[in-house]
Amino acid sequence: GAGVSQSPSNKVTEKGKDVELRCDPISGHTALYWYRQSLGQGLEFLIYFQGNSAPDKSGLPSDRFSAERTGGSVSTLTIQRTQQEDSAVYLCASNAGGIAGNTIYFGEGSWLTVV
Amino acid sequence: AQSVTQLDSQVPVFEEAPVELRCNYSSSVSVYLFWYVQYPNQGLQLLLKYLSGSTLVKGINGFEAEFNKSQTSFHLRKPSVHISDTAEYFCAVKGDSSYKLIFGSGTRLLVRP
Repeated sequence: GAGVSQSPSNKVTEKGKDVELRCDPISGHTALYWYRQSLGQGLEFLIYFQGNSAPDKSGLPSDRFSAERTGGSVSTLTIQRTQQEDSAVYLCASNAGGIAGNTIYFGEGSWLTVV
Repeated sequence: AQSVTQLDSQVPVFEEAPVELRCNYSSSVSVYLFWYVQYPNQGLQLLLKYLSGSTLVKGINGFEAEFNKSQTSFHLRKPSVHISDTAEYFCAVKGDSSYKLIFGSGTRLLVRP
């Protein structure tokens, strides 16, 4: 597609429920990222994919968080047993790799509220 | 490893006044530098970037930034701001062989009439 697409744009869930956030990167982009932006906080790196592999998962805050990418395209970030501190904007981004790929393009974000 | 410092958490300015948002970085390798803007309740939009070449880069909406290697800075400027420029501005750095974008803590630009 023309840009990075994320869904849902907004999600309200009850504490303890699982949620899935979806990201559809720019067509042809091999690299995909998830970041988290909590209220009043900066942007926190979560995970990086190159193709379907995730060589860097160092930012995932706990084992309740997982992500996968299939077909070198769509990615899903799953949060199990959500907690109130998981409330944040989850931003997906992608780039093409190489010198041109040094620009990372972001989606509009999925705004998660855990009540 | 790289890091980014945005010293000003908030910058209030009157409409049509000039503004400078400061960004300093640290890195032991060559870097690429970016400014992103986040309007209220929206995602991040690329404002401008420095990859190589001219150290003065121009972006969208009349913004520009200058890469200063000796001062490890990449300050963002606009000669005359509009109310619509009210947003959060993030400076970010990426090592030339790194895949990860490292962000500063952001500067909220508040333009008043």
